[in-house]
Amino acid sequence: KAGVTQTPRYLIKTRGQQVTLSCSPISGHRSVSWYQQTPGQGLQFLFEYFSETQRNKGNFPGRFSGRQFSNSRSEMNVSTLELGDSALYLCASSDGLAGIYNEQFFGPGTRLTVL
Amino acid sequence: QKEVEQNSGPLSVPEGAIASLNCTYSDRGSQSFFWYRQYSGKSPELIMFIYSNGDKEDGRFTAQLNKASQYVSLLIRDSQPSDSATYLCAIYGQNFVFGPGTRLSVLP
Repeated sequence: KAGVTQTPRYLIKTRGQQVTLSCSPISGHRSVSWYQQTPGQGLQFLFEYFSETQRNKGNFPGRFSGRQFSNSRSEMNVSTLELGDSALYLCASSDGLAGIYNEQFFGPGTRLTVL
Repeated sequence: QKEVEQNSGPLSVPEGAIASLNCTYSDRGSQSFFWYRQYSGKSPELIMFIYSNGDKEDGRFTAQLNKASQYVSLLIRDSQPSDSATYLCAIYGQNFVFGPGTRLSVLP
């Protein structure tokens, strides 16, 4: 079974631009979560999508948004980029079913650098 | 108070020794607990999860959970240099909350 894929793997943008990242979950998984990882803040939860609906949201500004398509693929968008948005953006896939057995599997990440 | 706390390390152990990694959390409503390993430049990979008090063993790894003390740990027996990585504790309640990670170094 193929793992979680993310594109692009690396991205360089300048302040003020916007960016869209893509994530394809493991086949059969309906939940996709997005995380931002930086050396100073660690791994921080952005939001989770399940069956095309945002189910949970972390404490990030509205510049960070996402969506999920009917095939469970998800995109994350960051508008008006700031230097502090430079980070590794990770997508995690799970079956998303209610309950406590919510194992998440991570993709390889997208390394975003904002100049 | 941070929601999930871990010692940042580095924790150094000799090859063949037991490495003990600890994690405390603040949300008593947390339901399940995960350990991830992250090599430098790579994404986290799931090692194991636990949801009941007590111990859970998987090969060289043992997870221990004490909900009353809000404490979860990971023991790595017969540590190998390839175990050198950052270990992330993650707590699931409404969503996942990750600790800052403990950097483990296994010395040959």
